[in-house]
Amino acid sequence: GNSVTQMEGPVTLSEEAFLTINCTYTATGYPSLFWYVQYPGEGLQLLLKATKADDKGSNKGFEATYRKETTSFHLEKGSVQVSDSAVYFCALGGGSGNEKLTFGTGTRLTIIP
Amino acid sequence: KAGVTQTPRYLIKTRGQQVTLSCSPISGHRSVSWYQQTPGQGLQFLFEYFSETQRNKGNFPGRFSGRQFSNSRSEMNVSTLELGDSALYLCASSLGGAFEKLFFGSGTQLSVL
Repeated sequence: GNSVTQMEGPVTLSEEAFLTINCTYTATGYPSLFWYVQYPGEGLQLLLKATKADDKGSNKGFEATYRKETTSFHLEKGSVQVSDSAVYFCALGGGSGNEKLTFGTGTRLTIIP
Repeated sequence: KAGVTQTPRYLIKTRGQQVTLSCSPISGHRSVSWYQQTPGQGLQFLFEYFSETQRNKGNFPGRFSGRQFSNSRSEMNVSTLELGDSALYLCASSLGGAFEKLFFGSGTQLSVL
């Protein structure tokens, strides 16, 4: 079945540092890939998505590229802010008729001023 | 447009009791999904309802059940509560297409004592 593996957290960075959160996946077929973000006390929000190989999703300065050859969808941001502190979830959906989203375990990110 | 509303926000129950959680989706959304979020397991898919029919189901025991009403509001029921059922239960709604953007509520935090 489908599965998603994210880098273990927590991750602590200083403001304006470069961010990478690794995500790899296992799936048959051609899944769509997502990053969701959960701010304290809130539900998840879609951050970005990519639906086919080599697609780049981007939003709010975050980017992730769908790499089929390495089965990866790493999240990056060039200069993080304190307001980016949250839990980030990688997810995939689709592939061989799988109609539900499968989430990774989440990576807690803390940005210190 | 109002977001996804989950009630209650917090619940404390004892082992053996049952509990019902409620979710009101965004107006016009016909799909409602439920997830269990725990620190160790991340987000685990429970089930999805579309137009009052269960369309997808995760790997949870039969103690977990749900339903959807004609106005798309959904309820989730857990019977014979166990300590391990303590978690944040998240509801998400969408228009209903596969892998459409999910809109999450803030969740119901269930504590089983």
